[in-house]
Amino acid sequence: DGGITQSPKYLFRKEGQNVTLSCEQNLNHDAMYWYRQDPGQGLRLIYYSQIVNDFQKGDIAEGYSVSREKKESFPLTVTSAQKNPTAFYLCASSMVGSGTDTQYFGPGTRLTVL
Amino acid sequence: GEDVEQSLFLSVREGDSSVINCTYTDSSSTYLYWYKQEPGAGLQLLTYIFSNMDMKQDQRLTVLLNKKDKHLSLRIADTQTGDSAIYFCAESIMDSSYKLIFGSGTRLLVRP
Repeated sequence: DGGITQSPKYLFRKEGQNVTLSCEQNLNHDAMYWYRQDPGQGLRLIYYSQIVNDFQKGDIAEGYSVSREKKESFPLTVTSAQKNPTAFYLCASSMVGSGTDTQYFGPGTRLTVL
Repeated sequence: GEDVEQSLFLSVREGDSSVINCTYTDSSSTYLYWYKQEPGAGLQLLTYIFSNMDMKQDQRLTVLLNKKDKHLSLRIADTQTGDSAIYFCAESIMDSSYKLIFGSGTRLLVRP
């Protein structure tokens, strides 16, 4: 059953702690993305990766870090430097060079800082 | 600059048609997308249209693109209560980043 999985679904963190959100895909997609969604707003791009061992900052990368050691995995770390980390985080993936560059999304992780 | 705008809210009666509108600013857009988000869930791809097309129909969904006015619309025929959700318009930018620029979403409420 192909798709994108994110874990955990809900995550609680104390202020000052780093936390890592998981994103895995078995669609054999080259590119993966992390977005942040705040209530009543659209999605904002945090980081993206088009190939293993390479990634680029998106529009709101400050306070976040990523790695891309495997094609199917793109974990996001929310560091203590992120001033307002409470949000809904969405991971997506797409095939590079397919023409449409259509992005498919995971179910999301809701992060709450206590 | 890149910007995508949508109206915030739309309410329709069950069985009527819904039309959700979107405007975008980047004339180099290649594809334009419509996604659906139900409460607490990820985004589900509904349909997309290539920028050199005027219209695309897929079952109850009709996408219209007016490239001159940079206006995109999604029409849902025979709207059902299960169509209640937030609908996002997004454009892909013709550069090397494969980025999508999203609107802030239109909340569709279908009344019985």
